[in-house]
Amino acid sequence: NAGVTQTPKFQVLKTGQSMTLQCAQDMNHNSMYWYRQDPGMGLRLIYYSASEGTTDKGEVPNGYNVSRLNKREFSLRLESAAPSQTSVYFCATGLAGGQETQYFGPGTRLLVL
Amino acid sequence: RKEVEQDPGPFNVPEGATVAFNCTYSNSASQSFFWYRQDCRKEPKLLMSVYSSGNEDGRFTAQLNRASQYISLLIRDSKLSDSATYLCVADNSNSGYALNFGKGTSLLVTP
Repeated sequence: NAGVTQTPKFQVLKTGQSMTLQCAQDMNHNSMYWYRQDPGMGLRLIYYSASEGTTDKGEVPNGYNVSRLNKREFSLRLESAAPSQTSVYFCATGLAGGQETQYFGPGTRLLVL
Repeated sequence: RKEVEQDPGPFNVPEGATVAFNCTYSNSASQSFFWYRQDCRKEPKLLMSVYSSGNEDGRFTAQLNRASQYISLLIRDSKLSDSATYLCVADNSNSGYALNFGKGTSLLVTP
């Protein structure tokens, strides 16, 4: 089992470009999450999906959109990238509800010039 | 105010030493607590859950003090491979579906 996979691993964008970060899990978990991690800021929740068909905003949702395509896949889209979105993005999954252990993907390193 | 606060360190300790980290959480309604480990440029990975009665996993011991709202992690007989950042985590019962991560405490174990 691959667990949680993310693509791409690295990406360089110019300001204003768009891109979609992909996340897939084979753990049969209901909940999926997108975080960003910046130096000195820790992990911050962007969006989450408690179950297939539902999404909710986290702490820092501005500039992002998400899609819970099915139970396995949860994508994060940057419509018009900005340098402030330079970060490491982690996808995570959890069995159900917010009080359970979360399992993280390997991350996507994004640089916006 | 950050929901979960930790001393960022770094903690530099020699091999074989015992080291302890504490963190505090602000949401008294939090029910679930964890310690995660994150190696440089890698994803966070669960180290251990923290139970009210305290729990131990090998060289690692976690304690929860609900009255004072703090969580601790004790590492005995430190190994070089313990060098990492340790993230303290509490559930965010306000949102219902999220965990609050501390910014992490950096540990460097030296020969």
